[in-house]
Amino acid sequence: AQSVTQLDSQVPVFEEAPVELRCNYSSSVSVYLFWYVQYPNQGLQLLLKYLSGSTLVKSINGFEAEFNKSQTSFHLRKPSVHISDTAEYFCAVTHNTGFQKLVFGTGTRLLVSP
Amino acid sequence: GAGVSQSPSNKVTEKGKDVELRCDPISGHTALYWYRQSLGQGLEFLIYFQGNSAPDKSGLPSDRFSAERTGGSVSTLTIQRTQQEDSAVYLCASSLEGTAERTQYFGPGTRLLVL
Repeated sequence: AQSVTQLDSQVPVFEEAPVELRCNYSSSVSVYLFWYVQYPNQGLQLLLKYLSGSTLVKSINGFEAEFNKSQTSFHLRKPSVHISDTAEYFCAVTHNTGFQKLVFGTGTRLLVSP
Repeated sequence: GAGVSQSPSNKVTEKGKDVELRCDPISGHTALYWYRQSLGQGLEFLIYFQGNSAPDKSGLPSDRFSAERTGGSVSTLTIQRTQQEDSAVYLCASSLEGTAERTQYFGPGTRLLVL
């Protein structure tokens, strides 16, 4: 069985500051990792994913995450946040063969203030 | 192209009533998933359909919950004799199985409130 831990339920940050949202996972098999974002009153949108290859993956809006197998982590970072990044961010894991049920973390609410 | 759509967007019902939630996946996607998002439980997997295979129902919380997928496309999640603890946002997702993409695309959800 897999599990995902997002230790920070809420992260307040000022605009243009850097941010890191932490994600740790547990799995007995190889995994794929995802970050989804949920803006207020909207559905989940894929932000970025790690399937294989380079352990550093990037989104089109400046976020990046690095897969660290030894630390079982997939932390999300952005060097300079905008007000529009205010949202809830979910880390998710699935095993890399067969059925792909996503196991989600509890989410981290990013609050960006001016 | 069109994304995953769900209807209704909001549903208010009385305890004990049955409800049906609908999901239209992205055209051509062979896999369809239902999840539930609630304050107490976070995001939970409910059920998974893939092609003509038997669905994986391992996440359904009770026998009051059922789902079907007709013609490999539209899916309906039915909750019988609703309870207040069923109040949640029900999310549907679809994906292309058998490819390297491995991405589930989510609909906007149906917000269910059981009074």
